[in-house]
Parts: sequence; structure tokens; C-alpha cells
Amino acid sequence: DAKTTQPPSMDCAEGRAANLPCNHSTISGNEYVYWYRQIHSQGPQYIIHGLKNNETNEMASLIITEDRKSSTLILPHATLRDTAVYYCIVRDPDYGGSQGNLIFGKGTKLSVKP
Amino acid sequence: GAVVSQHPSRVICKSGTSVKIECRSLDFQATTMFWYRQFPKQSLMLMATSNEGSKATYEQGVEKDKFLINHASLTLSTLTVTSAHPEDSSFYICSAREGAPLNEQFFGPGTRLTVL
Repeated sequence: DAKTTQPPSMDCAEGRAANLPCNHSTISGNEYVYWYRQIHSQGPQYIIHGLKNNETNEMASLIITEDRKSSTLILPHATLRDTAVYYCIVRDPDYGGSQGNLIFGKGTKLSVKP
Repeated sequence: GAVVSQHPSRVICKSGTSVKIECRSLDFQATTMFWYRQFPKQSLMLMATSNEGSKATYEQGVEKDKFLINHASLTLSTLTVTSAHPEDSSFYICSAREGAPLNEQFFGPGTRLTVL
């Protein structure tokens, strides 16, 4: 079972920041927070991941709370092409067994509107 | 990021036939490959995990004799759906994990299987 909870859907106006929350209250010390997104009828696309520090790349920023029990993915200037299902997943990348696998929950369906 | 390809992207077959789907990691060697299945309006469900040269590990409820997985090399894994039936119609997605130290995982574009 997925170890994260996300709102089922969110709307965002084009050009505005999209803030997608994720709760992972049972995260263990070695587990990272990963974000992927899936545009309709495509394979998941990696966005960003982090352990405890905030992270930023060309796609998004990841803000992780100090207690690591929740995080927020920020798309700074959402476009229509960012409409997708966003998945927050916790995973220990150094674990060779099943706990190292990416297990998908239901994700958040983000709709960016003009 | 790294590239994972799948072939074919779409396949339509008759009930009772077998279908093979290929998954390749194009620019890295994948120590582990994964197969997921996704039904309409649902999330991805992990079907099986395979390591090169080893037997695949199947998730609970996935029939290993129906979904044959071969991971013959560090860049190729195949999923064969044997004696396909309409209820096997789904979106099949493979994923490949590179080795240490990064252990990052990348996904293919998916294969849409329709069984008539």
C-alpha cells in the first residue's frame, strides 16, 4: 500500500503557482520523497526527489517539513501542459528489496485552466 | 533523464493469443526492471520485479504463468501475456532502475493492450 496521502484533485490558473501537498507521516529515516507525474496515456515522468532539504530543479521545487511528515511540490508558473496526475511516493533508494520499489497511490489530478 | 523504450506502443489481439511487450533501457544498464499495469481511471499497480538473469518476483494476485517475464540482459526485459482475454486489456508500463549509487528509476511510455 502507498504510504502517502494526497488530495484527489486540484485546480490551478495558468501562470500561477501550483502547490501540491502530500502527507507521509510514517516515513522512515532512510526514505526519500519522490514526485512523478503522469500525463494522460503516457508513462510516469520523474519530477524531483529529496530527503530532508528543500530541492529545486528546472521543473519544480520540493519543500519538505522539518519533521519530514509532509511535503509540497511547487510548480512555479503552471502551464496547460502541466495538467496531469501527480504522484508523491516515499522510497528508500538504497534498499534492494520491495521497500525500494516505487508504489503508486492515487495521486492528485491537477487541472491547469486558462 | 535516462530513456526507457517500450514496443509496441499499441497492440490489439484476439482472445486466446499471446502478446509480447519489450522494454529497453537505452542509455544505461538496468539492474532491476519492473512491470506495472494500469486500468482506466486507476493508479499504476506493480505486477512484478525482475533482476537480470534471475526469475521475476511477482506481486500477490499476479499469475506468473500468465504473465511471463524474461530479463535476459541488463537492457532488455520482456512481458508476455499468454492466452490473453478481454479482462487483460490494460495499459502496461515498464520501468528500469539503474544501479548504485543513484538507483534512480525511469519509466517507459507504456503499451496499450486491447484484447478482443
